[in-house]
Amino acid sequence: GEDVEQSLFLSVREGDSSVINCTYTDSSSTYLYWYKQEPGAGLQLLTYIFSNMDMKQDQRLTVLLNKKDKHLSLRIADTQTGDSAIYFCAEAILYGQNFVFGPGTRLSVLP
Amino acid sequence: ETGVTQSPTHLIKTRGQQVTLRCSSQSGHNTVSWYQQALGQGPQFIFQYYREEENGRGNFPPRFSGLQFPNYSSELNVNALELDDSALYLCASSNRDRGLEQYFGPGTRLTVT
Repeated sequence: GEDVEQSLFLSVREGDSSVINCTYTDSSSTYLYWYKQEPGAGLQLLTYIFSNMDMKQDQRLTVLLNKKDKHLSLRIADTQTGDSAIYFCAEAILYGQNFVFGPGTRLSVLP
Repeated sequence: ETGVTQSPTHLIKTRGQQVTLRCSSQSGHNTVSWYQQALGQGPQFIFQYYREEENGRGNFPPRFSGLQFPNYSSELNVNALELDDSALYLCASSNRDRGLEQYFGPGTRLTVT
């Protein structure tokens, strides 16, 4: 079945880069997403990448996709304390008839 | 702000009762997906409605049902509530005809006692 895995915790110092990793199992994924969730809030769409792309950059965010290894990463440049949150990786399969989320990576930014 | 609204914000029910949660989708969106997020976990896909018909379903029993209305707002109904149904219920709207970016509402926190 479908499965998305992420490491659960990451700590970085303010100003450093953060790299959050994700692996997925379904090779028919069409879109892959990164969402951010702050305490008590819903999910905020940060960025997404179509499965035929290798990289996407959006301001401080860079998404890398390795289709062969089914590995997705999110790099946040110049990490700020406001970036502290839980980050979820998700894949859309069956052309969006099913979405699978990972367990989330809790990013802590230390001053 | 995504333009996706959910009501109510919080709800407390007892085991065996029924509950209806509501979601208004973002203007221009024709698809609503519902998710259950238990504490400390990622969202689990319940089902999706596209143009008023169920378009995909996750691994949830039939006591989880839904509706989508002509204005594309949606309801999630849960019958015979169980303690494990306590969770944050999220809806996400999108326009399947234009892509698969989903925008989430703030969620409804359901507590079953």
